[in-house]
Amino acid sequence: NAGVTQTPKFQVLKTGQSMTLQCAQDMNHEYMSWYRQDPGMGLRLIHYSVGAGITDQGEVPNGYNVSRSTTEDFPLRLLSAAPSQTSVYFCASSYDSSGRHEQFFGPGTRLTVL
Amino acid sequence: LAKTTQPISMDSYEGQEVNITCSHNNIATNDYITWYQQFPSQGPRFIIQGYKTKVTNEVASLFIPADRKSSTLSLPRVSLSDTAVYYCLVGGYKAAGNKLTFGGGTRVLVKP
Repeated sequence: NAGVTQTPKFQVLKTGQSMTLQCAQDMNHEYMSWYRQDPGMGLRLIHYSVGAGITDQGEVPNGYNVSRSTTEDFPLRLLSAAPSQTSVYFCASSYDSSGRHEQFFGPGTRLTVL
Repeated sequence: LAKTTQPISMDSYEGQEVNITCSHNNIATNDYITWYQQFPSQGPRFIIQGYKTKVTNEVASLFIPADRKSSTLSLPRVSLSDTAVYYCLVGGYKAAGNKLTFGGGTRVLVKP
């Protein structure tokens, strides 16, 4: 099992550009989520999904879109990048959303918006 | 969803026991308490989980009092490699919005 994979590892964007951060898991997990982590801060939930075709907003959803067309993939789209979106982005997956099961995290994508 | 409160940072020395307490006053009946560890430039990783009383595994113990309004993560005989940020996460089945959100975490620095 590869676990949770994220691409790219690093990305630099200019203000106004759009891009998609990729996340995939091979554990057949129902629950997937995206977090952002600013320097020296904790993780903040952006969007999450409890299954294919079902997504919802987290704490800081503005400026981001997600979709879940398959169980395995959960891409995060930045619509029009802003310097405030400079952060490290982590994707995570879990068997379900109950909180009773371990969340597995990807290695992160470090994004800089100039 | 239960909100958690943890100390921002703690310092310790090699070989000592480190105890981190997390407050979660509005924990729901179905909520479990989970602790994660995060090293710099890495994603968090699971340490331990519990519902009530005491849970122990090969790396830590988790103490949960009867009212479950707090929990304490205990790291026995820490080493320099235990320097990390530790997060307490509280969530339950079909909790409000099915969200699993993290608090600010506790930054633990182990000194030689």
